[in-house]
Amino acid sequence: KAGVTQTPRYLIKTRGQQVTLSCSPISGHRSVSWYQQTPGQGLQFLFEYFSETQRNKGNFPGRFSGRQFSNSRSEMNVSTLELGDSALYLCASSWGQAETQYFGPGTRLLVL
Amino acid sequence: EDQVTQSPEALRLQEGESSSLNCSYTVSGLRGLFWYRQDPGKGPEFLFTLYSAGEEKEKERLKATLTKKESFLHITAPKPEDSATYLCAVSESSASKIIFGSGTRLSIRP
Repeated sequence: KAGVTQTPRYLIKTRGQQVTLSCSPISGHRSVSWYQQTPGQGLQFLFEYFSETQRNKGNFPGRFSGRQFSNSRSEMNVSTLELGDSALYLCASSWGQAETQYFGPGTRLLVL
Repeated sequence: EDQVTQSPEALRLQEGESSSLNCSYTVSGLRGLFWYRQDPGKGPEFLFTLYSAGEEKEKERLKATLTKKESFLHITAPKPEDSATYLCAVSESSASKIIFGSGTRLSIRP
C-alpha cells in the first residue's frame, strides 16, 4: 500500500507570496491533518479534515487555510508569506478522526 | 487542559546502554496513545499504538508500555541507528484531535 505523499518536497518563496501544498493520503483514509514543524519545535497542529469538512483547527492566523477533496486528497494554502512561515509542513492521514496517523515526508518551505 | 509531557528532552547513551523514555499525559479519557520516531528533516514514522493500561507492544529493540497516566518507551541495547527524536501523542475519547508531546532527542554513541 502506498504511503502518504506530499508535493512539492521543497519550495522557496519570497515574503508576500502565497503557496499551496498538496497531500495524497493512504488509500482508504478519510482524515487528513496538517502540522507545522520549525527547528527545535514540536509539531504544531494546523487543521484536520474529514470527509471534506474541517473538523479541527489549531491556533494559526487566517492566512493558513486548507481544503479536502472528495477523493480525500488535501491542500493547504498560506497567503502573504512571512519569514516565520519557513518550516517543514507535514501531512498525516488516518482512517478516522483521532485514529493512528501516518505521516508523509513533508514539504520544506523556505521564505526569503 | 489536555497535556502531553515527554522526558527527558534529550538523552545521550552509549551503544548497548538500555534506558527508557517517558510520556505522561492528562486527558479525561484516553482513546489511544501513539509513539513515533522522527529523523531530522523527515516525517514521523509510526511505531506503536496503545489503547489501555497494561498493554505492551514490541518492535526490535523497542518496547512500549502504558499505565493510566504515562507510557514508557524502553530501548534495549540500543545501536547508533536508533538515534532520532521520539514523539508521543494521545487522543482523548471525547475529543477528535491528537495532542503531541515535544519529543525526546535520543543520541546513541558508538
